[in-house]
Amino acid sequence: GENVEQHPSTLSVQEGDSAVIKCTYSDSASNYFPWYKQELGKRPQLIIDIRSNVGEKKDQRIAVTLNKTAKHFSLHITETQPEDSAVYFCAASSSGGGADGLTFGKGTHLIIQP
Amino acid sequence: DTEVTQTPKHLVMGMTNKKSLKCEQHMGHRAMYWYKQKAKKPPELMFVYSYEKLSINESVPSRFSPECPNSSLLNLHLHALQPEDSALYLCASSLWTENYGYTFGSGTRLTVV
Repeated sequence: GENVEQHPSTLSVQEGDSAVIKCTYSDSASNYFPWYKQELGKRPQLIIDIRSNVGEKKDQRIAVTLNKTAKHFSLHITETQPEDSAVYFCAASSSGGGADGLTFGKGTHLIIQP
Repeated sequence: DTEVTQTPKHLVMGMTNKKSLKCEQHMGHRAMYWYKQKAKKPPELMFVYSYEKLSINESVPSRFSPECPNSSLLNLHLHALQPEDSALYLCASSLWTENYGYTFGSGTRLTVV
């Protein structure tokens, strides 16, 4: 089955700086890569996703890049703000044209220092 | 309606009790999922339903019994649980094709005493 590795486990950055979180996956058939933000006691919220036919996607301060050859993808957050503090999970899925579950990385606790 | 609704939000049950968790969506999604999330851990997939049929069971113990009575509802029946089953149980749904619209509910926080 799929295995997703996520680094770092904790990331502390100054407000206004950029944050980068990296994930690798093992199953070359995986074709869907979402990123979730989870605040304490709340549900995971989808913040951005990318599919294997695209190398990069951007939404305001958030961007995701995908390298299919190397089987890794990264989340980039620019101009970080205190409300960006949360746990971030990457995930991968091989939909194969139908429904499939997500395999999650272990998570990154992002701390934005004022 | 773009939400997945889960009830109850909190549940405390004894090891001999029988209870059910409920999940509902009205987005026309034909794939629905149960995940279990322990504190400070990622969600772990338990079950996948596609078009109301169980398509994936991730070797979950039989004390967890899923049910999909129609395309909008997903239940998780609980019986003879153990304290280590205490966790946040998350329901999710998506379009059947290519995982579009993958949405999580707010979860049921379960405590087994």
